[in-house]
Amino acid sequence: KAGVTQTPRYLIKTRGQQVTLSCSPISGHRSVSWYQQTPGQGLQFLFEYFSETQRNKGNFPGRFSGRQFSNSRSEMNVSTLELGDSALYLCASSPAAGTGSGEAFFGQGTRLTVV
Amino acid sequence: AQSVTQLGSHVSVSEGALVLLRCNYSSSVPPYLFWYVQYPNQGLQLLLKYTTGATLVKGINGFEAEFKKSETSFHLTKPSAHMSDAAEYFCAVSTSGTYKYIFGTGTRLKVLA
Repeated sequence: KAGVTQTPRYLIKTRGQQVTLSCSPISGHRSVSWYQQTPGQGLQFLFEYFSETQRNKGNFPGRFSGRQFSNSRSEMNVSTLELGDSALYLCASSPAAGTGSGEAFFGQGTRLTVV
Repeated sequence: AQSVTQLGSHVSVSEGALVLLRCNYSSSVPPYLFWYVQYPNQGLQLLLKYTTGATLVKGINGFEAEFKKSETSFHLTKPSAHMSDAAEYFCAVSTSGTYKYIFGTGTRLKVLA
């Protein structure tokens, strides 16, 4: 069974640009969540989606947005990139809507570098 | 609000020695607790989880953790460290109804030959 797939793995963007990251969950999983990982702030929750609906949102500015499609694939977008947005962005999928008792399965992440 | 504190950002143990990674949590509702491991340039892999029931939880690769409500702790242990255990370990808390995890700051484990 294929795991969570995140594309691209590495990305370099210039300040002020926007970027879209993609996440394909494990087949059959309907819940997708996103995290930002930086050396200074650690792992921080961005969003949680289930059946195309955002169920939770972390404490990030409106430049960070996401969506989920009917096939459960998800994208996140960051507009007007800042140097501080450089991070590893991790996507995780789970079988069902926030039961919380099951674990989240993480992808390998997209390493975004803003220059 | 929930929070997680991991004591010790770096821990070194000799190969074959006991591994003990500390995690304390704060939660106003019954917590779900997790330990994840991250190898360089990789995502997170679940080691073990506590939701309800037995407070001693066994995970993969010989790791286990005990949920102690009175101490608000969920420390991770392994009787005998192996070189392949060198990685970063994250404790996380969530609650029923969400996959919004609050992670600790991580502990980087180094195993000495």
